[in-house]
Amino acid sequence: SSELTQDPAVSVALGQTVRITCQGDSLRSYYASWYQQKPGQAPVLVIYGKNNRPSGIPDRFSGSSSGNTASLTITGAQAEDEADYYCNSRDRFGGGTKLTVL
Amino acid sequence: EVQLVQSGAEVKKPGESLKISCKGSGYSFTSYWIGWVRQMPGKGLEWMGIIYPGDSDTRYSPSFQGQVTISADKSISTAYLQWSSLKASDTAMYYCARQLRAGVVWDWFDPWGQGTLVTVSS
Repeated sequence: SSELTQDPAVSVALGQTVRITCQGDSLRSYYASWYQQKPGQAPVLVIYGKNNRPSGIPDRFSGSSSGNTASLTITGAQAEDEADYYCNSRDRFGGGTKLTVL
Repeated sequence: EVQLVQSGAEVKKPGESLKISCKGSGYSFTSYWIGWVRQMPGKGLEWMGIIYPGDSDTRYSPSFQGQVTISADKSISTAYLQWSSLKASDTAMYYCARQLRAGVVWDWFDPWGQGTLVTVSS
């Protein structure tokens, strides 16, 4: 399947909204899932499918998709959201986006 | 509680063989795919392959086909990732994760194992 492209780094002011994007041809017909990874820890699922959050994931995390782009939005970013975020579709992961909360 | 517990860290020499494990609990092990994901030091996640323990159907990423072998023993709810001849470039953290699916256009990994660090050095 095709590559998935993510911006390497994004920053957001504390309490503001940030969107992390993932682009790839497979996203036109296949949903993305999103994972949060903090240093020294295993990845954790934060969004899957159209816009589904696993139990325990705060509702400030949401997902959307349009054409070949999937997006993860954090509304009211918190300091603990600082992490690497990866999208996944079929047999690929995006390169990851390092989110810094200022 | 659904849980995947991986075997401990390994230090090996180039050319040696290795098999690491991932034991599932808290769910029907034979009913869900298990995936393996590589993370090289300071790098991103790489999809290696998946196995369906119910019938051992296995799919590999082209990048890893022929380089590793994925297997499972459903009698003990354990999946494996093995190498016949390790290289220094196999040094990485390896994660297993349960893959859930909804239809044919929707899958995701949850939960993940804690990871197994494999170090290959002479």
